Amino acid sequence: DQQVKQNSPSLSVQEGRISILNCDYTNSMFDYFLWYKKYPAEGPTFLISISSIKDKNEDGRFTVFLNKSAKHLSLHIVPSQPGDSAVYFCAAIYNFNKFYFGSGTKLNVKP
Amino acid sequence: NAGVTQTPKFQVLKTGQSMTLQCAQDMNHEYMSWYRQDPGMGLRLIHYSVGAGITDQGEVPNGYNVSRSTTEDFPLRLLSAAPSQTSVYFCASKLGGTGANVLTFGAGSRLTVL
Repeated sequence: DQQVKQNSPSLSVQEGRISILNCDYTNSMFDYFLWYKKYPAEGPTFLISISSIKDKNEDGRFTVFLNKSAKHLSLHIVPSQPGDSAVYFCAAIYNFNKFYFGSGTKLNVKP
Repeated sequence: NAGVTQTPKFQVLKTGQSMTLQCAQDMNHEYMSWYRQDPGMGLRLIHYSVGAGITDQGEVPNGYNVSRSTTEDFPLRLLSAAPSQTSVYFCASKLGGTGANVLTFGAGSRLTVL
């Protein structure tokens, strides 16, 4: 059973609006969370991360929120741009060495 | 700086054939790992290594072998390929230690087993 889940396979947003991507996890022992972005025919690239001891981390247009009691994290992109169109994976780390990824959400930002 | 280099980019095998996917990194990363990406399943960890001579299993290790003789290289071996191993494979590396959490990925290797 997947320990990290992204229940929305796709999301479509208008340029300039907010994109919210969601991720749920089951293992309370995860100590670090990350978001990766992937374009077709390329490897995933790191976007933003958050430690389990924090509830928010911001980097420019990207903000990650962590709700440990709900075992939920989300990625907010404001404002969304057409270049943000990609597949976004959330990931969680267990014991510093084992990475667990969600199934991905394909974001389409319409001009 | 090449980062993480995977070869080959594409490979077609027949059931029962063996092959090795190559992965090399030039960032002096202690940690290296292999993932497979399948539709609806995301990226799943196959094997990982925290340094030369040290390897461990991930979520889906069956059917795959690894070894780590140098810091730079981490090959993934399929001894007897099966159609269920048709997938896109990614190698990723990071610095060792508890403070290093960001993986750098290669561009991927697409494998088809007929």
